[in-house]
Amino acid sequence: KNQVEQSPQSLIILEGKNCTLQCNYTVSPFSNLRWYKQDTGRGPVSLTIMTFSENTKSNGRYTATLDADTKQSSLHITASQLSDSASYICVAGISASKIIFGSGTRLSIRP
Amino acid sequence: DGGITQSPKYLFRKEGQNVTLSCEQNLNHDAMYWYRQDPGQGLRLIYYSQIVNDFQKGDIAEGYSVSREKKESFPLTVTSAQKNPTAFYLCASRPGHGKTDTQYFGPGTRLTVL
Repeated sequence: KNQVEQSPQSLIILEGKNCTLQCNYTVSPFSNLRWYKQDTGRGPVSLTIMTFSENTKSNGRYTATLDADTKQSSLHITASQLSDSASYICVAGISASKIIFGSGTRLSIRP
Repeated sequence: DGGITQSPKYLFRKEGQNVTLSCEQNLNHDAMYWYRQDPGQGLRLIYYSQIVNDFQKGDIAEGYSVSREKKESFPLTVTSAQKNPTAFYLCASRPGHGKTDTQYFGPGTRLTVL
């Protein structure tokens, strides 16, 4: 069964701290791994996309890693800001029209 | 949200009524998608279209219908046959057919059945 599992479900950290979100995926065939940020009541916005041959991809303070052997990905957020409060969704791509979404990690940044 | 608009932002429906959610994009993207998002669950694909006048069922198409008469428009009708339609609906588009092409999402429509 194709599935994407994310942990933790929710996380609260203080402003300025770093955090890492985890994603385990079981999809076949595997094409790519994406991370999206979704603000409450809004549509998701793409942060990074990695193919199976890429190990890391950065976008500002966001750094995603991919281990295709263990089928794990992580999203590291450095020096968190209040605007980072959102849900972060991991997505595994199979084909152009078949992608599997995780249920997301809800991140709250406290001042 | 890019150049994708969805309307209305909030929609209330009585049981037994059909409602149509609008999705328009000015990005000249070929492919368009409709997803449903429920609390604590990942997005689930309802329908998608890769070209005008053609569309395919996704994982949860029952109770929904779509049309793709124009490249920029992909409206979704939630019919009375959809047993649990209260959800957040997201429209997305993608420029081409490459596996790594990014999907761009609209701002969403929250549908509530009264």
